[in-house]
Amino acid sequence: QVQLQESGPGLVKPSVTLSLTCAVSGGSIISSNWWNWVRQPPEKGLEWIGEIYHSGSTNYNPSLESRVTMSVDKSKNQFSLKLSSVTAADTAVYYCATSVTAPRRIFDYWGQGTLVTVSS
Amino acid sequence: EIVLTQSPATLSLSPGERATLSCRASQSVSNFLAWYQHKPGQAPRLLIYDASNRATGIPARFSGSGSGTDFTLTISSLEPEDSAVYYCQQRSNWLTFGGGTKVEIK
Repeated sequence: QVQLQESGPGLVKPSVTLSLTCAVSGGSIISSNWWNWVRQPPEKGLEWIGEIYHSGSTNYNPSLESRVTMSVDKSKNQFSLKLSSVTAADTAVYYCATSVTAPRRIFDYWGQGTLVTVSS
Repeated sequence: EIVLTQSPATLSLSPGERATLSCRASQSVSNFLAWYQHKPGQAPRLLIYDASNRATGIPARFSGSGSGTDFTLTISSLEPEDSAVYYCQQRSNWLTFGGGTKVEIK
């Protein structure tokens, strides 16, 4: 079955670009799935960041769109998130997620999440 | 943006009791509503999608109902392992989550 694993720096400085990667195993990045990022700030709820298809098509949360870039690396079977000009408000656990048996934008497979802290 | 409002914020019940969680949308989402269970340090777990369809492997004590703007997640008989935060999520217009309901088992 599909497994997702996030990786990236746990600490980034304000104003820089946050970069995370989600490795996909047990399945192919070029399947008919959309690949998503979701985050959860401390003591707050979940926020969808956006999605990417293996063709490179993307949809981003309008509230973050100006700072988000997603990409797919088919050779490594992984996809990535870049979030620019980060502030303390971007401190969160970042999850990658996808729909395998569920409809699109319903997430039945998730990574374990990675905590990113924005601090100088 | 469609805003999802969950109530109550916290629900404290004993094992075996029935839990009723509410999710209200700021505009109709048809039946495009899902429920997740989220425990500390774990990934969210899909329980219900499209208002009333149980996800694979989800126990029958979890059920969902509703359409339009008002939805309910019911846990018919609480087990100790049901202690978690429960989120609703809509996919009718982009994708948004509710603020969550914390279920505590006494």
